[in-house]
Amino acid sequence: NAGVMQNPRHLVRRRGQEARLRCSPMKGHSHVYWYRQLPEEGLKFMVYLQKENIIDESGMPKERFSAEFPKEGPSILRIQQVVRGDSAAYFCASSYRDSNLYGYTFGSGTRLTVV
Amino acid sequence: AQTVTQSQPEMSVQEAETVTLSCTYDTSESDYYLFWYKQPPSRQMILVIRQEAYKQQNATENRFSVNFQKAAKSFSLKISDSQLGDAAMYFCAYRSANQGGSEKLVFGKGTKLTVNP
Repeated sequence: NAGVMQNPRHLVRRRGQEARLRCSPMKGHSHVYWYRQLPEEGLKFMVYLQKENIIDESGMPKERFSAEFPKEGPSILRIQQVVRGDSAAYFCASSYRDSNLYGYTFGSGTRLTVV
Repeated sequence: AQTVTQSQPEMSVQEAETVTLSCTYDTSESDYYLFWYKQPPSRQMILVIRQEAYKQQNATENRFSVNFQKAAKSFSLKISDSQLGDAAMYFCAYRSANQGGSEKLVFGKGTKLTVNP
């Protein structure tokens, strides 16, 4: 049973381009969470999604960032018009229904570098 | 808002010795979960141990144990018989357990653990 799959592992974008980060949750998991890790920092919550619904986006920057988790396919974190400050590692985690009972599984992250 | 503080940016330990990593948190909630995650150079976030706040008994997983002091809002991790493979960043994290509460984890800034042979 594959874990949480994130791709690409590394992504380089020039300022002003768009970045699309993908996350395939573990089989049977219907809850997805995105976190961002800046250098020398812990992970910061961005957004929590269930299939076709955004449940909590309190950690998402107001502009340029969006996330989706469609009925079919992976969850996508999109960053439009990237800036140098967007350079970070972006982690996805998934859980089965109630994470209180089942906990989260993290992916290995996508390291975004904006040049 | 909840906060998590790890006051030790770096720690080192000799192989086979014991080391304790500190974590304090701030919350007004009475029901919550606390976690320790390990992040090796591969960047994979690996759950080490988890504690439910309503349980008085400290959680233990093999060589890893916690000292949970609810009144002091302290949650330290003890690693016994340290091994070279324990070298990693360790993050303490908090999560509300309230129904309807946020599912998000709140992380500390981490402690980098070095294990010396």
